[in-house]
Amino acid sequence: QLQLLESGPGLVKPSETLSLTCTVSGGSISGSSYYWGWLRQPPGKALEWIGSIYYRGSTYYTPSLESRVTISVDTSKNQFSLRLSSVTAADTAIYFCARVTYGETYYFDYWGQGTRVTVSS
Amino acid sequence: EILMTQSPATLSVSPGERATLSCRASQSVSSKLAWYQQKPGQAPRLLIYGSSTRATSVPARFSGSGSGTEFTLTISSLQSEDFAVYLCQQYSHWPVTFGPGTKVDI
Repeated sequence: QLQLLESGPGLVKPSETLSLTCTVSGGSISGSSYYWGWLRQPPGKALEWIGSIYYRGSTYYTPSLESRVTISVDTSKNQFSLRLSSVTAADTAIYFCARVTYGETYYFDYWGQGTRVTVSS
Repeated sequence: EILMTQSPATLSVSPGERATLSCRASQSVSSKLAWYQQKPGQAPRLLIYGSSTRATSVPARFSGSGSGTEFTLTISSLQSEDFAVYLCQQYSHWPVTFGPGTKVDI
């Protein structure tokens, strides 16, 4: 059974960089049919897709965050990571990693449990 | 960016009853729509993709329909484990976007 697990600090100071890692187990991140994505859910707001990465390193980001986001992959560790720079209180959210089934589709079929990140001094 | 709206915001039903949830897109997304179930403190669970195809292990009481801008998720006979928030997501246009959700409660 594929499992994803987010890890990283739960508290980040304003203007600093948020860094999270997603560890994938029960399957290889190097599969050709999938991307690997990050999403977030601010308190009381809709889920938002942040960006996705293919195991070979190609990335796609949502336009509103593109200038601050970097997603990277480490196939040797079966992990992918998110960096979000210059954070503000508006970046406070539960952050999820997920597997993306793409092609004619683009939906998220396996998810991590989510990790809560608070931006505060 | 495609705006997704869902109605009603909250749907109160009794176990065994039928629930009908709506999702609307600000422009046509063809049949490129997915539904998710989210319980408190948990990640979303994929229920439906392609507007009407059930994901693996999803019970037959869940069904999806619609195309273009209007979509419906129907739960034919609510079980206790179905009380949750239901989200829709379009993947026709970049970036993919989600609706705010419909809470199904008792």
